[in-house]
Amino acid sequence: KAGVTQTPRYLIKTRGQQVTLSCSPISGHRSVSWYQQTPGQGLQFLFEYFSETQRNKGNFPGRFSGRQFSNSRSEMNVSTLELGDSALYLCASSLGSGRGALDTGELFFGEGSRLTVL
Amino acid sequence: GDSVTQMEGPVTLSEEACLTINCTYTATGYPSLFWYVQYPGEGLQLLLKATKADDKGSNKGFEATYRKETTSFHLEKGSVQVSDSAVYFCALTHPERSNDYKLSFGAGTTVTVRA
Repeated sequence: KAGVTQTPRYLIKTRGQQVTLSCSPISGHRSVSWYQQTPGQGLQFLFEYFSETQRNKGNFPGRFSGRQFSNSRSEMNVSTLELGDSALYLCASSLGSGRGALDTGELFFGEGSRLTVL
Repeated sequence: GDSVTQMEGPVTLSEEACLTINCTYTATGYPSLFWYVQYPGEGLQLLLKATKADDKGSNKGFEATYRKETTSFHLEKGSVQVSDSAVYFCALTHPERSNDYKLSFGAGTTVTVRA
């Protein structure tokens, strides 16, 4: 079956602009998570959605937001871009569970969207 | 809060050499532990996992044992191949917590295997 699809794969923006990244999870997966990957900070958790509800949010400023649609597809938005937002943004999906956490721990990652802010 | 510490890379090895990547963690409760691998140009994929103390995870010739007494989960492979060249991430999550929907990752260790 098709994997996690992220679009666009590469994009260049300038400071002050905003950006929207899209993620299509594996069919049947209801949980979508977003992570920021940078050489200095590694992989940092942004947020997780399940059935259109944000269940958990990482320690990022309010400029970072996201949403999930009824078909489980997700978008994340970064407003007023800063140079430090340059990163690889990874989306991951999992079956999810109504009860609780990542009980299997297996996330399926997309290849990422590489954002460069100039 | 939780934290995962991995040995710094990069690590360069010759084919058929032994590989060990150290991983230690700081966490309360009963975390589950994972190793993820990222091959060049690809997303991360789960390599192996262990959900309780003394469990051994294994896959593709890699092994790691969950050691609660030393809070460690070191990754080992006895004979590496060029195709094992990748970035390896140690990670944890808390399945016992009803509001914890994330993985906490280590910084990653880049491994290069030369023919």
